[in-house]
Amino acid sequence: SQKIEQNSEALNIQEGKTATLTCNYTNYSPAYLQWYRQDPGRGPVFLLLIRENEKEKRKERLKVTFDTTLKQSLFHVTASQPADSATYLCALESGGGYNKLIFGAGTRLAVHP
Amino acid sequence: ETGVTQSPTHLIKTRGQQVTLRCSSQSGHNTVSWYQQALGQGPQFIFQYYREEENGRGNFPPRFSGLQFPNYSSELNVNALELDDSALYLCASSVSGTENEKLFFGSGTQLSVL
Repeated sequence: SQKIEQNSEALNIQEGKTATLTCNYTNYSPAYLQWYRQDPGRGPVFLLLIRENEKEKRKERLKVTFDTTLKQSLFHVTASQPADSATYLCALESGGGYNKLIFGAGTRLAVHP
Repeated sequence: ETGVTQSPTHLIKTRGQQVTLRCSSQSGHNTVSWYQQALGQGPQFIFQYYREEENGRGNFPPRFSGLQFPNYSSELNVNALELDDSALYLCASSVSGTENEKLFFGSGTQLSVL
C-alpha cells in the first residue's frame, strides 16, 4: 500500500527565511499530489495541487515541486511570517478514484519573529 | 471558511455506545468524504459518498457506516464504540470530476470514548 513520509519533527525558522518541507512516498506514483494547511482544532485547508506532468507550481509565497523519479515533493514557504505557523499535510490520490486521498502525518512549522 | 459545517463540535461517549455525526456540504458539492484523524496523525480515509451511494471505503470495519441525503448532507454512524475510536472526525465535500480534486473540510467533530 502507498506510504507517505513527512518530517515528524517540527521545523523552526526565523521570520523572513524560506521554510522547506519534504514529502516522500513509496510504491506507485500518484496522478497528483496536494498540500494542505491545518491549524489546531480546525480542518485542513487546501493550498496547492501539482500533477505528475508538472515539475513546479506556485501560489503567492508558496512553491511546490514534484519529482516522480525521486518520489518526492518539496513545499517551500518564502519570506515566512509568524502567521505561516501551522501543520502542513501532504496528500496523494489513492488510485481508488477522485478525491480519495492518503495523507501524511504532517510537519509542524513554527516561524519565530 | 469552507462552507462545510459539522455537528456536534465535541462529543463524549462510553465504550459500546453508538454515535451519529453530521455534515452539511458546501453548496454545489455532490461528493462527501469522511476522514478520521488521531492525535498527531494525518487524516485517514473512512469512506466517500456520491449520489447517495458509498463510492469507496478505506480500511475501517463495518461498524462504521454512513448516509448521504438528496441535499448532499451526510451522516457518519459508528456502532459499538471502542476506545481507539477517539479522534477528530472530518467531513470533506467536493465536486466529482477531473480538475476538481481539492477537498473542502469542515472543522471536525472531536469524539472522546471513555
